[in-house]
Amino acid sequence: ETGVTQSPTHLIKTRGQQVTLRCSSQSGHNTVSWYQQALGQGPQFIFQYYREEENGRGNFPPRFSGLQFPNYSSELNVNALELDDSALYLCASSLLRGYMNTEAFFGQGTRLTVV
Amino acid sequence: AQSVTQLGSHVSVSEGALVLLRCNYSSSVPPYLFWYVQYPNQGLQLLLKYTSAATLVKGINGFEAEFKKSETSFHLTKPSAHMSDAAEYFCAVSDPGDSNYQLIWGAGTKLIIKP
Repeated sequence: ETGVTQSPTHLIKTRGQQVTLRCSSQSGHNTVSWYQQALGQGPQFIFQYYREEENGRGNFPPRFSGLQFPNYSSELNVNALELDDSALYLCASSLLRGYMNTEAFFGQGTRLTVV
Repeated sequence: AQSVTQLGSHVSVSEGALVLLRCNYSSSVPPYLFWYVQYPNQGLQLLLKYTSAATLVKGINGFEAEFKKSETSFHLTKPSAHMSDAAEYFCAVSDPGDSNYQLIWGAGTKLIIKP
């Protein structure tokens, strides 16, 4: 068991709505990353949080935003949902040491469907 | 920019046969390297990792991978395939030169096991 938990496991939203996904990181880890995995594709990096601040971002628009809390848990918020946002959203926790990330431990993901 | 190439989106082997999944990276500086497995509708599970120690790395479920700097490769192998190995496998790298500290992913290889 990795210790990374995500909620909810499944979610259906309507286009234009807003959604919040949650992630509880593994004990001892200080970094949380979020990935979007569309059907049949590899994960795409959304952003990473370290010490409650965003310290890396992939090619995603500003309507994708996040938070990291003092206990290292995290939220991913998506505003103005579009149909193409339908995907499996994965949260991963890791330990950032210097300039290298240790292995990331993933949660089971949240399957978001936008209709 | 760093990139990861997984040769073959689908690999089919017979049960009991050798499994070989290929991964090449583009960095001139040896990165950290990882193999993850994903079962349907689940998150990603770490199989093994290379972090500049032994070049032959043993992981879970009988898998191993060899880091070859001269070939910039990190191929995943298993001597004898089992039906339970059917899943999608992702190679990922952590690049010390990447200020995003993100994991960079290959597109994945779906492993099919024939009875």
